[in-house]
Formats: sequence, structure tokens, C-alpha cells
Amino acid sequence: DADVTQTPRNRITKTGKRIMLECSQTKGHDRMYWYRQDPGLGLRLIYYSFDVKDINKGEISDGYSVSRQAQAKFSLSLESAIPNQTALYFCATSDPAQGAADTQYFGPGTRLTVL
Amino acid sequence: SQQGEEDPQALSIQEGENATMNCSYKTSINNLQWYRQNSGRGLVHLILIRSNEREKHSGRLRVTLDTSKKSSSLLITASRAADTASYFCATDSSGNTGKLIFGQGTTLQVKP
Repeated sequence: DADVTQTPRNRITKTGKRIMLECSQTKGHDRMYWYRQDPGLGLRLIYYSFDVKDINKGEISDGYSVSRQAQAKFSLSLESAIPNQTALYFCATSDPAQGAADTQYFGPGTRLTVL
Repeated sequence: SQQGEEDPQALSIQEGENATMNCSYKTSINNLQWYRQNSGRGLVHLILIRSNEREKHSGRLRVTLDTSKKSSSLLITASRAADTASYFCATDSSGNTGKLIFGQGTTLQVKP
């Protein structure tokens, strides 16, 4: 079984709809991240969390919110989706305490299309 | 804003040849990492080099870091068709927070 899973894997929605993307991990890591990837722009950090009581904005947090429901779960919400939020979304985890400092482990991604 | 800029943006080589990708960054770093992404999939960590290291090897991968020039290179030797992927550098500039800033990536095509 994959260590970092994301649901759904693909989603098509309409402008104005609320969308939630979910991420679960079995690695036991404290740190979790949400990124979006657009063609030619690499990955950009949306939000990150160092434990269940810690949430931090990343580079491009406007239009997004997150919830860290447990150590293993980190959800990303688009309150009112707009077309320029069409992108590939990745969840990642890390835990420097487990040896490989700062190495991040990525989920398979969610492809979101906003019409 | 992007920390890393990668060069070239795209690279096409024949199987068996070496592939070199470069990454430049703007601010001081604690470490620099390289990741690989197969088309449409999640990134996979390849190698991490710390700011006090100059060169590191892992199998067919060789990474160099020049902090005076704020640049790194990734060399893949004896490339294989399975190496076809996008390669990203990522820098940790913020202490032990795990927060990485990714470059735009180099797309490598290895022709059989």
C-alpha cells in the first residue's frame, strides 16, 4: 500500500463549487504539505503543517484553506473554485526526526479541473 | 517566487549517454535536493546534498554543489530509457523547517 494517498485522483468541477482534496499518510510523519503544480512553474507551496496544532500559509494560500484532522490526515479545501485553480495538486510529508532530514515523500497527485 | 532555475528546460539524449542538468538558486541554503517526476505522477526524492558538501554520489547519480556560485548540477551517467522524466531541484533556505522551494524542472527524454 502507498505511504501517502490522495483522494480523489481526478476531479472536474464548476466555478463556485466547494471542493475538498484529502491526503492520508501511514509514514507517521508530523509534517505535511500541499503543493500545486502548473505547467512550466514547478511546484508551489500552498500550506504546510508541522503538527495537528500548527498550520502555516505557503507561497500561494489565497483561495485555499486546510484542515489537519489528525497526524495522518491533511485536507485542502477550495471554498469557491475558479478556473485558474485548475492544476495538479500534491500532498507531501516529511519528518527530520526519522533520519533523512527534510526529504519529502509525495502522494500520487490530484488532477483538478475547474470549468 | 521561484528559488531555483533549472537549465536546460528540456534535454533529449540517446540511451547510454550522460545527462547533465543544472540548478541555480538565489539565497543561502541549508541543503539542496533533487527529485524526479514521471509524467503526471508524484515526485520521488533522489538525493540530498548539504551546504557543507561539494559532491555526492548515489548509484548512477552524481550531484555537485557550488555555494559560491549558488548552483548545483545533477549528472546521470549511462542513461536508460527508464530515466525519462522531469527532474526538479529544491532548496531548503529556512533552517530545519522542511520547507522547500522547487525549481521549474528539466524534462529529460532518453531515446532507446
